[in-house]
Order: sequence, then structure tokens, then C-alpha cells
Amino acid sequence: NAGVTQTPKFQVLKTGQSMTLQCAQDMNHNSMYWYRQDPGMGLRLIYYSASEGTTDKGEVPNGYNVSRLNKREFSLRLESAAPSQTSVYFCASRLTGGRHNYGYTFGSGTRLTVV
Amino acid sequence: AQKITQTQPGMFVQEKEAVTLDCTYDTSDPSYGLFWYKQPSSGEMIFLIYQGSYDQQNATEGRYSLNFQKARKSANLVISASQLGDSAMYFCAMRGANFGNEKLTFGTGTRLTIIP
Repeated sequence: NAGVTQTPKFQVLKTGQSMTLQCAQDMNHNSMYWYRQDPGMGLRLIYYSASEGTTDKGEVPNGYNVSRLNKREFSLRLESAAPSQTSVYFCASRLTGGRHNYGYTFGSGTRLTVV
Repeated sequence: AQKITQTQPGMFVQEKEAVTLDCTYDTSDPSYGLFWYKQPSSGEMIFLIYQGSYDQQNATEGRYSLNFQKARKSANLVISASQLGDSAMYFCAMRGANFGNEKLTFGTGTRLTIIP
């Protein structure tokens, strides 16, 4: 049972380059999320997808796009990377509906450095 | 809007002592959920405990308990008999219960160091 799988685990980009962070979950969860973690700021929500076919902006969406490819996969794209996007990125998923204490399952993170 | 406040950037605690990590929250939602996560140096986010706003009793999970004081809007994490492996960052988080308000809002975290 893999849970939430993120690729890659590490990436170095040059300013202006683009890349896509991949996330896949095998738990049949309907909601998926992308967070970024910066020192001293906790985790901040970039985008989320409450169900297949829907996406919504979170707290810090500028500079990012997302695609909910199917129920399993939720990708995050940086079209033109900037040094301010240097961060650790976490994907998470959750089963929603009914009891709302279903926990969020996080991937292991992607450490991105933009130079 | 939801807000989580963790006022302890760092704590040092002697091994085997109990630890209380503070968390206060603000929300206008009548129903909400509160979570605590542990992030060890390896970086993964580990779910520890959950408290629903309408739960009558404080949540407990092994050595972890959540001291929920709804009127004070606080949800402190208590770790009993601390161990060296408890050294990590701890995050308090909250989500609303309404459909469309699925977002998990995090505090800035507390770095806990257990001293042998």
C-alpha cells in the first residue's frame, strides 16, 4: 500500500524553467491538495481538488497551475520558476464525506531549489 | 477565515517528562476539526490525533492526548512520558466541516527537543 507518492524527491531548476511535480494516491481518496512548506511559516495551501474534475485556489496559488488528471493523480506545474518558489512541496489526499475526521495522508515531499 | 496560532517556536524537555504544546485557533465555522501532525527530521508529515468540535471528550491516542477547551479556542497537545524519538516539529492544523471548505490550515509549528 504505497499511500501518496510524489516525484521527484529533489529538483534544482534555473530561473525561468518549467517543471511538473507529480502526485498519485492509491487509497481511492477523492480530495487532493498541494502545500508548500517554508521555514518559519508552516504549510500553506497552494491548490486543492475536492473531487475529480474540480480544482480551487488555496492561500498561495500565484505562479502555479494544477491538473487533476483522474481520481488518483494531481499534478502541480511551475510554468516559469522563480527563486521565491524554492520550498518543500507536499501533496496530500483525504477521503471526504460522512465523518469529517478522516485524516489527511501526506506524501514524502519534493525539495525544490530554484537558482 | 481560519487561523492557527502556535506561540512556542521551540521547547526543550527532559526525557520521560510530560510535554504540552500550545495551539489556539480562530474560526467562524460552527463545526470544525483540529489535527496535530509530527514532522521528524526526515521530513514526512505524521498524523497524531484528531478532535472534532462537537466531540464531548478529549481525544487520546496512546501517549498523545488533546486538551480541547472550546470556549478558549485552544487545542493543546499533551505528550506523556516523552521519549527521545519525540524530538521533531509539531504542527497544529484545522479544517472546516462545510463542503467546499476542505482546506487544512496549519500553524507555524513548535520544534520539540527531548533531552536525555
